[in-house]
Amino acid sequence: DVKVTQSSRYLVKRTGEKVFLECVQDMDHENMFWYRQDPGLGLRLIYFSYDVKMKEKGDIPEGYSVSREKKERFSLILESASTNQTSMYLCASSFRGIGNTIYFGEGSWLTVV
Amino acid sequence: GQQVMQIPQYQHVQEGEDFTTYCNSSTTLSNIQWYKQRPGGHPVFLIQLVKSGEVKKQKRLTFQFGEAKKNSSLHITATQTTDVGTYFCAGEGNNRLAFGKGNQVVVIP
Repeated sequence: DVKVTQSSRYLVKRTGEKVFLECVQDMDHENMFWYRQDPGLGLRLIYFSYDVKMKEKGDIPEGYSVSREKKERFSLILESASTNQTSMYLCASSFRGIGNTIYFGEGSWLTVV
Repeated sequence: GQQVMQIPQYQHVQEGEDFTTYCNSSTTLSNIQWYKQRPGGHPVFLIQLVKSGEVKKQKRLTFQFGEAKKNSSLHITATQTTDVGTYFCAGEGNNRLAFGKGNQVVVIP
């Protein structure tokens, strides 16, 4: 079974803190993604990576950065957390190419106070 | 950019009844995928449709891909309480996958 593991299920951080969300996949997938999910807004793509050290902006990259130093690991960084970044964050991975299934992690619920 | 619209956004369905959820794209898609997210869970892949006019069934679920490859539907018959959740479609085109906002389904016992 494919496993996408997110390091933290629930986090509470203060405004201005630097936040790291870690994600690891065990299927040797080339593609990795970070999505944000908010009620009524669906899944919005923040960043994705199609290879080690490669990254591309998604639809809402502002306020976020990412790091992919190893194939299996993709980190989402909030340089200075703000209350409007309170959300559920979903990591996902897939093989490269058209029509490949995306496998999601269980999600990280982040509250910024 | 590519957009995928889902309607309706919310549905309340009586247990035992049928319902349909729709997905429409502004551009022609190479394929469409459907995912289900249970309350408190994460999206899980259901199916992929690739061919124009394709129809696939999974027990009580019927998935269709339109002839023009711009729309898709998911029809569920004899709804059960286990069908509760949010159904997402994701359309792939121009090497990008775009998710719809989802159809949140509440099942009334």
